[in-house]
Amino acid sequence: DQQVKQNSPSLSVQEGRISILNCDYTNSMFDYFLWYKKYPAEGPTFLISISSIKDKNEDGRFTVFLNKSAKHLSLHIVPSQPGDSAVYFCAASGRNTGNQFYFGTGTSLTVIP
Amino acid sequence: GAGVSQTPSNKVTEKGKYVELRCDPISGHTALYWYRQSLGQGPEFLIYFQGTGAADDSGLPNDRFFAVRPEGSVSTLKIQRTERGDSAVYLCASSSTWNSPLHFGNGTRLTVT
Repeated sequence: DQQVKQNSPSLSVQEGRISILNCDYTNSMFDYFLWYKKYPAEGPTFLISISSIKDKNEDGRFTVFLNKSAKHLSLHIVPSQPGDSAVYFCAASGRNTGNQFYFGTGTSLTVIP
Repeated sequence: GAGVSQTPSNKVTEKGKYVELRCDPISGHTALYWYRQSLGQGPEFLIYFQGTGAADDSGLPNDRFFAVRPEGSVSTLKIQRTERGDSAVYLCASSSTWNSPLHFGNGTRLTVT
């Protein structure tokens, strides 16, 4: 039962343009959402998070948007850089959903120079 | 400071053997998680420690899997009678408090032949 879904396995974007990665979730009890970035042979690295009391959080080139009614979040990267090429995972947790973080299956982003 | 350290980075074992995977979390982090990532999938929760005790082991797939954290720092994931289906990357993560971002190690790639 996949509670966090990333329906796009891959995405290619030209350098300098915006990258938009999407994530959907099914559990309405989730109240904390995170994005992780993963390079090959490394563990996931935390990128940015958002709590359900907000609908937007920004950190430099990275912005996460949360639409609670649609159970959807997205990560915007602008401008995209070749070093952003990696697999991006969204994750979610909730105070009433146990102690674990639920991860999506990832989206592989390629930024073309 | 130092990040989460996992050893070994790679482990090849024969079906039926016993393996131990070690995780050294970030100093001072009380929460420790084990996740498993198979090819093309996101990390899947195995077990969560708060301090020395396993607060949630609901993700362990069966009784061949066991994890300990005797002094509230280093943790060992133990797999008995390994099967080929256990082949995956085993990720350890720690965090300073419950529901704060997880900091992952680089994982142990386990291959069961």
